[in-house]
Order: sequence, then structure tokens, then C-alpha cells
Amino acid sequence: ETGVTQSPTHLIKTRGQQVTLRCSSQSGHNTVSWYQQALGQGPQFIFQYYREEENGRGNFPPRFSGLQFPNYSSELNVNALELDDSALYLCASSLQRKGDTQYFGPGTRLTVL
Amino acid sequence: AQSVTQPDIHITVSEGASLELRCNYSYGATPYLFWYVQSPGQGLQLLLKYFSGDTLVQGIKGFEAEFKRSQSSFNLRKPSVHWSDAAEYFCAVVSGGGADGLTFGKGTHLIIQP
Repeated sequence: ETGVTQSPTHLIKTRGQQVTLRCSSQSGHNTVSWYQQALGQGPQFIFQYYREEENGRGNFPPRFSGLQFPNYSSELNVNALELDDSALYLCASSLQRKGDTQYFGPGTRLTVL
Repeated sequence: AQSVTQPDIHITVSEGASLELRCNYSYGATPYLFWYVQSPGQGLQLLLKYFSGDTLVQGIKGFEAEFKRSQSSFNLRKPSVHWSDAAEYFCAVVSGGGADGLTFGKGTHLIIQP
């Protein structure tokens, strides 16, 4: 059974640019959630996708957007990057959207200069 | 709004000693509670979870946690720590409002002394 994978591992961008992060969910999982973890903090919920639809969203602006594909893989897009967007971005998949355990990938480290 | 508090930012424990990491939550309904561990530069690994039933739950690596509704707590314990347990530990609760994103505490950094 393949776990959650994310790409790329590291990324460096400059302020104002756009970035796309990718996530492949664990086999059989139809729900993907994205989190932002700033240095020294706990992860913060960005949004969740269930069967290609956004299922819920945390307190993040619209320049954070996402997609989920028919194979349940997912993308996180961030437009107009700001310095404060520098963080570890974590993807988690689960078997169902309500109350199920979320399994995390290794994360993508984004640095905005 | 739901929240999770981990009162201890850092904890230092001698190898072989017992461990307890504290977690308090604020949540209106019956919570689903989790403990995750994160090694430096890594993602999160699930240690254990509580959904319902027996309030003492067993997890991986010899960890256990006890749900106490009256105290709104879900403390993590281990009877004897190993140097490999040094890591960041996060308590989390499932949020409501139709979005099942986890709400995390700020974490407790565990240091193991030889």
C-alpha cells in the first residue's frame, strides 16, 4: 500500500509569484486535506477536497486554491506569494470526509524570498 | 470555535523515565481526538486516536492516552521513553462547521536526556 506522497520536496519562490504543490493520496482514499505549518507552529487547516469538490475551508484567503482530480490526487495553488507564505505544506488523505483518520505526507517546504 | 492547548512548549525527560504530555481542548460536541508525532523536517505520524468507547486508548510505539471529558483533556503517556522518542508531539481535534480539518495545538518539543 502506497502512502501519501508530495512533490516537490523543496521550493524557492519570490514574492508575487505563483506556486503549485502536488499530492497523491493513499490508495483508496477519496478525501484530501491541506495544511500550512509555519516554523515552530502546529499545522493550520487550509481546505479539504472530497470527490473533486471543496468540502470545507479554514481561515485562508482566496489566493489559496486547490483542485482534486478523478484519481483523488490534489493540487494546492497559491497566487501572489507573500513572505509569510513560507512554511511546510502538508497534505493528508482519508478514507472518508467525516471523522476519519488523516494520514499525512512528508510535506513540501516552500521558501518565499 | 474549537481550540487545542498544549501547555508545555518543551519537556525534558531522562531515557527510561515515564512521560506525560498534556492536551486540553475546547469543543462543543463529542470530539474526535488525535496525537501525532513529527520528527525534524518530516510529516506527521499518527500515534493514536479517540473516537468513542473506552477512554484509555493504546497507540503505536508504546504510547497511550486517556480521554477525560470532565477535564476536557487527552493526555499522552508512555511508561519508559527511548532516545528515539525525541520529536515534536501534536494533539489535534476534528473541527466542526462542515469542514473536517483538524485543529492542532502548538506542539510539545520532547527532549530525551541520556
